[in-house]
Amino acid sequence: ETGVTQTPRHLVMGMTNKKSLKCEQHLGHNAMYWYKQSAKKPLELMFVYNFKEQTENNSVPSRFSPECPNSSHLFLHLHTLQPEDSALYLCASSPKLVGGLSLLYEKLFFGSGTQLSVL
Amino acid sequence: SQQGEEDPQALSIQEGENATMNCSYKTSINNLQWYRQNSGRGLVHLILIRSNEREKHSGRLRVTLDTSKKSSSLLITASRAADTASYFCSGSSGSARQLTFGSGTQLTVLP
Repeated sequence: ETGVTQTPRHLVMGMTNKKSLKCEQHLGHNAMYWYKQSAKKPLELMFVYNFKEQTENNSVPSRFSPECPNSSHLFLHLHTLQPEDSALYLCASSPKLVGGLSLLYEKLFFGSGTQLSVL
Repeated sequence: SQQGEEDPQALSIQEGENATMNCSYKTSINNLQWYRQNSGRGLVHLILIRSNEREKHSGRLRVTLDTSKKSSSLLITASRAADTASYFCSGSSGSARQLTFGSGTQLTVLP
């Protein structure tokens, strides 16, 4: 176990549904990330949060809405998704934001992901 | 820009053989990391090599870095069936936006 827990593990939803993915880390980390992994495609970085503040939004459609109420929890709210949004959604955390001048050597800890199918 | 593209896309070897995977990146980096992913699971960190290092070892893993060629390689020696997984690399140069990965190398180790 990596210390990062994602729920649910599997989710099937219709295009008109609203659902939420949850990520929780028990590692005391301050930075959390959402990635999307589609079959045969590179992992896509979606959002980055540092100390509960969003620092990156990689041009993600508004039907994906992240929420970070505290440094231990991260949500991804889903609304009016499309079939092409079907993918494995991975959450990750790191002790501090990877990339600061003094923070270049930290690794990401990933959850097991939520396999999402949009019908 | 993608800061980690793995090659080959797929690799199949017999147990006991060595497996070599390559990674290329586009812009200068401060460190490069390799991760492993079992099917349908999250990525697990394997090893990190800094830009001022040329080679690093961890158990059966050997990583090299050639900053002049913007490339890295991951060697798994004496492979086992349990090494079957996808392997990803990611280079970082100071921006969270660059925490990107490629499509990975799918390694299959046949018993």
